Amino acid sequence: EDKVVQSPLSLVVHEGDTVTLNCSYEVTNFRSLLWYKQEKKAPTFLFMLTSSGIEKKSGRLSSILDKKELFSILNITATQTGDSAIYLCAVMDSNYQLIWGAGTKLIIKP
Amino acid sequence: KAGVTQTPRYLIKTRGQQVTLSCSPISGHRSVSWYQQTPGQGLQFLFEYFSETQRNKGNFPGRFSGRQFSNSRSEMNVSTLELGDSALYLCASSLRNGRRGRAADTQYFGPGTRLTVL
Repeated sequence: EDKVVQSPLSLVVHEGDTVTLNCSYEVTNFRSLLWYKQEKKAPTFLFMLTSSGIEKKSGRLSSILDKKELFSILNITATQTGDSAIYLCAVMDSNYQLIWGAGTKLIIKP
Repeated sequence: KAGVTQTPRYLIKTRGQQVTLSCSPISGHRSVSWYQQTPGQGLQFLFEYFSETQRNKGNFPGRFSGRQFSNSRSEMNVSTLELGDSALYLCASSLRNGRRGRAADTQYFGPGTRLTVL
């Protein structure tokens, strides 16, 4: 059965810290991996990764995929209180179905 | 471009009733997926519609059904509501044009419909 596992499930850090969120997967017929941020509303798209080793970057956030070891990481540097959210990882298979991880709840303390 | 819209935003029903939720995708998007989100279960996939046909289905009972119209708008219906159906129902649209890449694969979410079953 296909699955996506995120770790840690929750994380509390102080403003200014750097965090690394993990997403490992076992998905038949991998197509792409997506990261979303969810605050008190619907998830908003962050990154989509399809190739190993190519870092995607947006401001203080970056992400990379390792298709050999079947995982991705999401890095956030110089964290701010506005980064507090649930970060969701999902893998799309060749049938365009997204398999979702349970999410990492990130809390940034001032 | 306008984003994904969902109506209604909030809904209160009683057990045994049925409910219909609506989702209008981003213009040009042909795929609409539906999800149930609860605090304990996270995002659970319900089904996906593409070109008016259900293409994928999650592990939900037959009380949950949906359809898609020729303009790509989609509706989801839940019959014989149970207390456990209380959740945030999200729909997401994507281009799904057969090409690989962000434009094709990224699902964009609507604001959701918060359903409370009493």
